[in-house]
Amino acid sequence: KQEVTQIPAALSVPEGENLVLNCSFTDSAIYNLQWFRQDPGKGLTSLLLIQSSQREQTSGRLNASLDKSSGRSTLYIAASQPGDSATYLCAAFSGNTPLVFGKGTRLSVIA
Amino acid sequence: DARVTQTPRHKVTEMGQEVTMRCQPILGHNTVFWYRQTMMQGLELLAYFRNRAPLDDSGMPKDRFSAEMPDATLATLKIQPSEPRDSAVYFCASGLGPGNTIYFGEGSWLTVV
Repeated sequence: KQEVTQIPAALSVPEGENLVLNCSFTDSAIYNLQWFRQDPGKGLTSLLLIQSSQREQTSGRLNASLDKSSGRSTLYIAASQPGDSATYLCAAFSGNTPLVFGKGTRLSVIA
Repeated sequence: DARVTQTPRHKVTEMGQEVTMRCQPILGHNTVFWYRQTMMQGLELLAYFRNRAPLDDSGMPKDRFSAEMPDATLATLKIQPSEPRDSAVYFCASGLGPGNTIYFGEGSWLTVV
């Protein structure tokens, strides 16, 4: 059974800092891994999707990497801004098993 | 702007009452999910449909929860009878099948008193 873990649970950084959020998964036979953002009181917004054949995906200041062999993914946020403050969740998709989510990292970017 | 629509957005109900939550997936999406989110457990999958057929509802308490897709534009999640431990945010999401991004609704915030 797939398990997804995100560390740390919470992170506070000053504005402008580059940061890395971590995600690990137990079953390396994944089809893809997705990163989502959730603002308080809102649903989840998809940020990046990495297929199992890819090593990384980039969107603006965000870069997500995937290492299947080690069961890890990272989300890199460059030049963080207060508007980046949110909870970031990763989710692994394994074949017919729907997305399994981590519990998220709550990010606060301080101006 | 295509989006997943959920109703109601907020619901407060008394223990023992029936609760029905509805979801309109994005037009053309053939995969629909119901997730429940709590502080303690995070996001848990309750049910999963593809082409309106239920594929996985192993995460759903069968004695009180039921999920259906009467047609391609409507998914429902019903709780009968509701209990205080059912208080959570219930999310519906839709997508185009394996390997594709899934899109979440804004959630139905349920409080059972």
